[in-house]
Amino acid sequence: AQSVTQLDSQVPVFEEAPVELRCNYSSSVSVYLFWYVQYPNQGLQLLLKYLSGSTLVKGINGFEAEFNKSQTSFHLRKPSVHISDTAEYFCAVSEGSGGSNYKLTFGKGTLLTVNP
Amino acid sequence: GAVVSQHPSRVICKSGTSVKIECRSLDFQATTMFWYRQFPKKSLMLMATSNEGSKATYEQGVEKDKFLINHASLTLSTLTVTSAHPEDSSFYICSARVTRQPVNTEAFFGQGTRLTVV
Repeated sequence: AQSVTQLDSQVPVFEEAPVELRCNYSSSVSVYLFWYVQYPNQGLQLLLKYLSGSTLVKGINGFEAEFNKSQTSFHLRKPSVHISDTAEYFCAVSEGSGGSNYKLTFGKGTLLTVNP
Repeated sequence: GAVVSQHPSRVICKSGTSVKIECRSLDFQATTMFWYRQFPKKSLMLMATSNEGSKATYEQGVEKDKFLINHASLTLSTLTVTSAHPEDSSFYICSARVTRQPVNTEAFFGQGTRLTVV
């Protein structure tokens, strides 16, 4: 079984400030890791994913994340946020190599609020 | 990326009636579709996994007779909430992915359906 912990339920920041959204996971098998963004009353959009290879993953909208196997973490970062980045962010994990149909397990989400 | 269309985006129904939500993959064949439920300010809870042409696999605690899932084709899955009650009011989201070779590890999400039962 897998689980995902997003340590912060809410993160308020000022525009143009850097931000880090934390995510830790637990799993007994190899995993794929994802970050999704959700705007109000909409579905989820993939920001980035880690499958294998380089542990630093770059995604859309200037976001990046680093996979740290020893710390079982996959924190999301952006060096300078915009008002439009205000949204709910979800970290998710699935079993690597096709286990469980690549079923995703989500964290509880972090609400990023960017203030002017 | 690939597009998953979910319809309707909002629906209001009377208690005791049934509601059908459609999830279509528009430009790819989805061998597996997932249905999630999202409560206000909460994460997504996986309800069931459906593979094309076979019965859905429901997560523990999800009533399969209440939430009927059909995945009759590679581009369409439906979720029917039967005899809906106010406690079924929620945001329902589907996702689709290709899971047979060549495998696409990314899940594509629909826009979600806001169900309100009155």
